[in-house]
Amino acid sequence: ELKVEQNPLFLSMQEGKNYTIYCNYSTTSDRLYWYRQDPGKSLESLFVLLSNGAVKQEGRLMASLDTKARLSTLHITAAVHDLSATYFCAVDGYKAAGNKLTFGGGTRVLVKP
Amino acid sequence: GAGVSQSPRYKVAKRGQDVALRCDPISGHVSLFWYQQALGQGPEFLTYFQNEAQLDKSGLPSDRFFAERPEGSVSTLKIQRTQQEDSAVYLCASSYSPSSGGPDYEQYFGPGTRLTVT
Repeated sequence: ELKVEQNPLFLSMQEGKNYTIYCNYSTTSDRLYWYRQDPGKSLESLFVLLSNGAVKQEGRLMASLDTKARLSTLHITAAVHDLSATYFCAVDGYKAAGNKLTFGGGTRVLVKP
Repeated sequence: GAGVSQSPRYKVAKRGQDVALRCDPISGHVSLFWYQQALGQGPEFLTYFQNEAQLDKSGLPSDRFFAERPEGSVSTLKIQRTQQEDSAVYLCASSYSPSSGGPDYEQYFGPGTRLTVT
């Protein structure tokens, strides 16, 4: 059974500082996703990482993937209040039928001034 | 173009009532997924359709949950005799990919239906 674990579960950030969210998964997977969810809203896709060593960046967010370690990180640079949200990583069973996603438990981020 | 839409957005049901949740996927998307998101948790897979065929229903928590997609487009998730533990947000997602290895695999999520069972 594929399991996905994120840590920390909650992250209180100070504006201007850097932070990292970790995502570990239990079995081989070919695609890893990062999503953002604001309260009461649906999931917004941030990144799709497809191969070992993949790195993607958008604004203050950068995601990377190490398939050998089964680890992805989401790095936040110089946090700002607008980044307050819950962040989820997910992997799919690419070689299993349907690409169903298995999600981590989420990291709730609160950026304080 | 239009994204994935779901209705109703909010539903309050008394314990024991039946509910039906609707999902309109992006036009032309072959794959359709339902997920359940309990408060403070990540979404969990319920079921998957490829066109009208339900290929995976391993995530449905009990036989009170039933999903259909009779014409390969709109899907309905039905919950019979609702219980308090069914309270959650139900998310629908669709993707183009007609097979697990296809290139257009990314899932696009709808806004969800928040179900509260009292």
